Amino acid sequence: GAVVSQHPSWVICKSGTSVKIECRSLDFQATTMFWYRQFPKQSLMLMATSNEGSKATYEQGVEKDKFLINHASLTLSTLTVTSAHPEDSSFYICSASVPMGTGELFFGEGSRLTVL
Amino acid sequence: QKEVEQDPGPLSVPEGAIVSLNCTYSNSAFQYFMWYRQYSRKGPELLMYTYSSGNKEDGRFTAQVDKSSKYISLFIRDSQPSDSATYLCAGRGNAGNMLTFGGGTRLMVKP
Repeated sequence: GAVVSQHPSWVICKSGTSVKIECRSLDFQATTMFWYRQFPKQSLMLMATSNEGSKATYEQGVEKDKFLINHASLTLSTLTVTSAHPEDSSFYICSASVPMGTGELFFGEGSRLTVL
Repeated sequence: QKEVEQDPGPLSVPEGAIVSLNCTYSNSAFQYFMWYRQYSRKGPELLMYTYSSGNKEDGRFTAQVDKSSKYISLFIRDSQPSDSATYLCAGRGNAGNMLTFGGGTRLMVKP
């Protein structure tokens, strides 16, 4: 299957700082990527849809000024958690589908954020 | 009511057992159905992908879709401790590539 890579896989930061998470499609170009958040023992919660060259589409209840998404190229989308607080601590996962493919989503390895 | 419902488990079975994981969905527009496996602290991994109703087999895994009853199943034969994970079902319609996920079922296979 297609490969989606996330970096960093684990990050600890102080409250008030900003953290950037990168999501890359390694062997295909992704016009659309998705960002999810997952709390322990819970399912994936879609945060936003990231579209290359345009603004992201955020799900209801997700603060777009808090979670900045940039999809500047066909292989890279970034999620920046701004002014992070302990309640932002979570597992963040990105995904992408192969254009003109059968629509399967391929996920990154996830990034665990801990805000102290 | 959620669009895709899944029993959260945990489902505990002995090694070698046949496991049946199930989902129900409410959106009649769903045409594509997927099963993902997620190990703890890892991203989901695509296991099975099916289109419309029918069965699909891949090794020890069989995915089954019954669109008439809006029921999705994943069967695991000869279950192994390494199958212990959370299994997520998902569906989507013809347009776009947004998947709707179930809540996941946690499976534990005991040696």
